[in-house]
Amino acid sequence: GESVGLHLPTLSVQEGDNSIINCAYSNSASDYFIWYKQESGKGPQFIIDIRSNMDKRQGQRVTVLLNKTVKHLSLQIAATQPGDSAVYFCAECYYGGATNKLIFGTGTLLAVQP
Amino acid sequence: DAGVIQSPRHEVTEMGQEVTLRCKPISGHNSLFWYRQTMMRGLELLIYFNNNVPIDDSGMPEDRFSAKMPNASFSTLKIQPSEPRDSAVYFCASSLAEGGGEAFFGQGTRLTVV
Repeated sequence: GESVGLHLPTLSVQEGDNSIINCAYSNSASDYFIWYKQESGKGPQFIIDIRSNMDKRQGQRVTVLLNKTVKHLSLQIAATQPGDSAVYFCAECYYGGATNKLIFGTGTLLAVQP
Repeated sequence: DAGVIQSPRHEVTEMGQEVTLRCKPISGHNSLFWYRQTMMRGLELLIYFNNNVPIDDSGMPEDRFSAKMPNASFSTLKIQPSEPRDSAVYFCASSLAEGGGEAFFGQGTRLTVV
């Protein structure tokens, strides 16, 4: 579950295109998954979450897909906008004793070209 | 609510000095997390509290690091003595333990140890 990132994966898309950001998680016991967006100089912000008993959840312009068989999570952003440019993190959440423990993945830099 | 409040926003200190980072969680939240973010290691969970009690400090890198939560509205992360490799952005986050796990992050403290 620890993140070690010498090189941050980068996804470059054109404004208006759809973006798909992928994430592999490590703990098969994780029961909750969250996508966070981090803009430069700010803390991570919640985007969307999904429980382990679901395989898809939709929000406004975003969809999260969960494949527990291969421990894979994806975030789809429709009609990507320049304001979507940020680093995106998936986080897995499992009960770590008294409260939920949130472990972050490495992160993906999304660069939206105008 | 003003969200999670961290202070200071930036800290520059000399190697060997004591550093204290401060956090005020969102009112009503009963879980508090300290994270460290670097390019090399991403977002690492250092320690988390539930109802002011430390639950898991396995992420604390060394004995030089310590964290306290004397009451529900205040937590500190102390590094003594500080070293250049401690340079990073330190985030505090809070959540409802009974919630799904969504944590709300502060703006972070950028620590530079020279």
